[in-house]
Amino acid sequence: SQTIHQWPATLVQPVGSPLSLECTVEGTSNPNLYWYRQAAGRGLQLLFYSVGIGQISSEVPQNLSASRPQDRQFILSSKKLLLSDSGFYLCAWSDTVASFSYEQYFGPGTRLTVT
Amino acid sequence: SQQGEEDPQALSIQEGENATMNCSYKTSINNLQWYRQNSGRGLVHLILIRSNEREKHSGRLRVTLDTSKKSSSLLITASRAADTASYFCATDAGGGGYNKLIFGAGTRLAVHP
Repeated sequence: SQTIHQWPATLVQPVGSPLSLECTVEGTSNPNLYWYRQAAGRGLQLLFYSVGIGQISSEVPQNLSASRPQDRQFILSSKKLLLSDSGFYLCAWSDTVASFSYEQYFGPGTRLTVT
Repeated sequence: SQQGEEDPQALSIQEGENATMNCSYKTSINNLQWYRQNSGRGLVHLILIRSNEREKHSGRLRVTLDTSKKSSSLLITASRAADTASYFCATDAGGGGYNKLIFGAGTRLAVHP
């Protein structure tokens, strides 16, 4: 069965510090991968998606970047955090569209507080 | 911008009652999905309904889709305290080589014992 991991679970970082959040998926190959951010009491905003190694697309301009160094690894980064980067970050995967399976499967999330 | 908008924003009911949540969207879709999120956790996929379907059931869940009104509803029958969570609809317009989901702001459901 497939499993998705995220770490760390919680993170408190000062403004201006770097960020690295990691997401890994087990039990599937060549998944589509996604990073979302969720503000308190709100829905999810898609930040980045990837359909393959090294292929990253950004949905919104921001202070963050993403990388996919391996097939099942997705990393969210920032060189200098802003207060507005605080939020709940969720990684998700889905099968490729060729599979006609459209559901997304989410990790447990990382709660980031920028102080 | 968010395509899906859930209504109501919050719902409080007693165990055993039915809970109905509604979702409206603005553009054509390939499918519509409902997800559940327990407080501080990731989202869990509940059910998917395709644009050519009008109703779908899964256990105590019933989803309807009216593409002419661009709306969907999620009914949870005989609710339990464990159903307490936030529920999100997500629309998939299809195309682009990946599953782009646009989420609404969610309905917070509280089921009281």
